[in-house]
Amino acid sequence: EMQLVESGGGLVQPGGSLKLSCAASGFTFSDSVMHWVRQASGKGLEWVGRIRSKADNYATTYAASVKGRFTFSRDDSKNTAYLQMNSLKTEDTAVYYCTRPDYDLWGQGALVTVSS
Amino acid sequence: DIVMTQTPLSLSVTPGQPASISCKSSQSLLHSVGKTFLYWYLQKPGQPPRLLMYEVSNRFSGVPDRFSGSGSGTDFTLKISRVEAEDVGIYYCMQAIQPPWTFGQGTKVEI
Repeated sequence: EMQLVESGGGLVQPGGSLKLSCAASGFTFSDSVMHWVRQASGKGLEWVGRIRSKADNYATTYAASVKGRFTFSRDDSKNTAYLQMNSLKTEDTAVYYCTRPDYDLWGQGALVTVSS
Repeated sequence: DIVMTQTPLSLSVTPGQPASISCKSSQSLLHSVGKTFLYWYLQKPGQPPRLLMYEVSNRFSGVPDRFSGSGSGTDFTLKISRVEAEDVGIYYCMQAIQPPWTFGQGTKVEI
């Protein structure tokens, strides 16, 4: 069974950092383009960005709202994608999903709350 | 960025009756490879979105055939031929022709 399991969410103060993990199983992770999507409470979906595979030099693309503050990475040996979030703002408060859209495969979501 | 505009934003439907959601993009979603990168999702409370349609009119695996998608260029429509109680939730269109991928505001469908 294909699965994505997220971890690392929590409460952080404005200006702080947090790192989310997305552990994949049941498919060839190393060939996958992994995306991140977030959703503030009661709001719509916002694409955060993506990280490509080794074949595409792990190229990353970020939404303007997070560029320069968020960093995607991956460890193909661990079948895990990461989202490093720095300089967090209150408006970054959301549920963060990792996803492989072409399989319609989504994590359960990790809640990140940025508040003092 | 490509702006996706959905109408209506809310829809009250009667089981057994049809329903339709419109999605308009600010730029054409037709790629030079001949594909149109327009997708439809349904999200239920507390769950991640679920893909219904890809590339305008292709139903994803397991999606009932009462769902259909149509359109081209910048104008798209999702139709439900006969709404069932399980179809309630928020429907989103999304474009994936160029980053950043962008979603419509969502259409809340209620019975």
